[in-house]
Amino acid sequence: NAGVTQTPKFQVLKTGQSMTLQCAQDMNHEYMSWYRQDPGMGLRLIHYSVGAGITDQGEVPNGYNVSRSTTEDFPLRLLSAAPSQTSVYFCASQLAPVRTGELFFGEGSRLTVL
Amino acid sequence: AQSVTQLGSHVSVSEGALVLLRCNYSSSVPPYLFWYVQYPNQGLQLLLKYTSAATLVKGINGFEAEFKKSETSFHLTKPSAHMSDAAEYFCAVSPPPGNTDKLIFGTGTRLQVFP
Repeated sequence: NAGVTQTPKFQVLKTGQSMTLQCAQDMNHEYMSWYRQDPGMGLRLIHYSVGAGITDQGEVPNGYNVSRSTTEDFPLRLLSAAPSQTSVYFCASQLAPVRTGELFFGEGSRLTVL
Repeated sequence: AQSVTQLGSHVSVSEGALVLLRCNYSSSVPPYLFWYVQYPNQGLQLLLKYTSAATLVKGINGFEAEFKKSETSFHLTKPSAHMSDAAEYFCAVSPPPGNTDKLIFGTGTRLQVFP
């Protein structure tokens, strides 16, 4: 039972570099999302997807891109890293609809941008 | 718009004492409410949820929460704290039917348990 798998767990970037955070789930969930967690701010939604080929923006989408080519994978791309993107990133998945169900989270990816 | 407010970013209790973590919500329609727990260096996991059935909801590890519409509250309680309960707890509210799929989280409450 892998659940939601995120890689890498830790990453250090320099300002301006790009990278991709990988997320994969093996539960055949339609809904996937990316959150960032910052002290005192809880979890903020970056992007989400309700199925393959469908993505939408959350609260804080600037500086991030996503795509959903398969049900299983939902990578998050940082186009040009900035120190403000230093955070812990969580991927989550759920059987639609979001309203009543349970979100399953990965263990997080800790990103530091110097 | 839906929102949740968690009162107290840090709560400290002694082992064996009552745990009370506060959550108030704002919602234009009857809400669905959730509590999630995050143990150190882990992702969040569902503790319990209210989806308009019984107002007293029981979750894992002895936690429960009561939905009080008149107080717009959904406080989390546990009669007797255990050291293993030390974690961060998040209250969340779901979007209304037909709205976009965005679960709204509170800012979290970190629970410390002292021996």
